[in-house]
Amino acid sequence: RKEVEQDPGPFNVPEGATVAFNCTYSNSASQSFFWYRQDCRKEPKLLMSVYSSGNEDGRFTAQLNRASQYISLLIRDSKLSDSATYLCVVANTDKLIFGTGTRLQVFP
Amino acid sequence: AAGVIQSPRHLIKEKRETATLKCYPIPRHDTVYWYQQGPGQDPQFLISFYEKMQSDKGSIPDRFSAQQFSDYHSELNMSSLELGDSALYFCASSLGREAYEQYFGPGTRLTVT
Repeated sequence: RKEVEQDPGPFNVPEGATVAFNCTYSNSASQSFFWYRQDCRKEPKLLMSVYSSGNEDGRFTAQLNRASQYISLLIRDSKLSDSATYLCVVANTDKLIFGTGTRLQVFP
Repeated sequence: AAGVIQSPRHLIKEKRETATLKCYPIPRHDTVYWYQQGPGQDPQFLISFYEKMQSDKGSIPDRFSAQQFSDYHSELNMSSLELGDSALYFCASSLGREAYEQYFGPGTRLTVT
């Protein structure tokens, strides 16, 4: 079983839709949490850090539930440019542990 | 803003050859990380350096070694290359240790034939 689990998708949604991704992690000692996005054959790009209090950055909202070891990402008003793979990432000391990613395809 | 620089961007080697990948972190970043991403897989942590000292080690083969230099750039040395080493190798950097936000370079695509 992977340390970080995500639904691989794909999620196919129309422009303007709201879409939510979920992720669970198994190591309760995990210290930091992030969402990255990765376009095909490109580097992972930091989308946002995730805090227990929840945080929002424009159309993106992330939540962390430490008790349930659960992380979520909500994307509102989806744009075509949001099409990518979204990686749930958990940090233990130095290293980042990546989920397998959830593929999002936004269509016109 | 300056980003992480990696060179070369593409590298083709034959089995049993050696390869050296270079990484230049974002200015003022003192921590460097190396990740390997095989086809269709998620990035796997290899090794990290903080202030020129090895900080943490992941699933890095004994055939690989790395170091961080006084100017904070890092090199990943890979010897006795195998077909299974073909992958994207990402370097990331951060300001401080313990998974402060890591920023990734564009990667080096290594193909072993």
